[in-house]
Amino acid sequence: EVKLVESGGGLVKPGASLRVSCAVSGLTFTNAWMSWVRQVPGKGLEWVGRIQSESDGGTIDYAAPVKGRFIISRDDSRKTVYLQMNSVEIGDTAVYYCATGATVSTIYYFDYWGQGTLVTVSS
Amino acid sequence: SSELTQDPAVSVALGQTVRITCRGDSLKTYYVAWFQQKPGQAPLLVLYDKDKRPSGIPDRFSGSRSGDTASLTITGAQAEDEADYFCSSRDSPGNVFFGGATTLTVL
Repeated sequence: EVKLVESGGGLVKPGASLRVSCAVSGLTFTNAWMSWVRQVPGKGLEWVGRIQSESDGGTIDYAAPVKGRFIISRDDSRKTVYLQMNSVEIGDTAVYYCATGATVSTIYYFDYWGQGTLVTVSS
Repeated sequence: SSELTQDPAVSVALGQTVRITCRGDSLKTYYVAWFQQKPGQAPLLVLYDKDKRPSGIPDRFSGSRSGDTASLTITGAQAEDEADYFCSSRDSPGNVFFGGATTLTVL
């Protein structure tokens, strides 16, 4: 069974930093392209970014609203992908999901999702 | 443009057929993915590629595309199909986009 488990969400002040994690089991993590997607409660989905597998080059792509502030990384030994959120803004308040696909190099066919972790940016 | 447009809400009588549409320029080039989301749950992939269903998705879910518009059709809608439905696609550099969601009500 494939499981993605996010952690690290919480309350953070505007301008501060927070790191959320996503631990993966049940698939060959080293081959997986991992994405982050966020959702303001009651609203739509927004892609945050993606990290390729190291074997495919390890390229990291970001959505425009977070580029330059967020950093995606991975630790294949821990089967974990991270989202480092810096200079957070009120508009970053959302549930953050990690996601990946049954096809390891998937760009948007996300078969597998975590349960999400809520990040609230507030003073 | 990378924008995907969906109707905000659609309703269907139990057992009838309903079509949910998604429109965007990227759909002329890339296939759409459809996700179902129920309250308090993570999204669930229900259709992808030309018209493929992940394992466990009932065959009453089907997809089609014409020009810049993709459709998700539920033939014989069930009460458990009541949910939000999001379409998704990509652009050439690999950015991912989602539609604004269609809330399906099964009457």
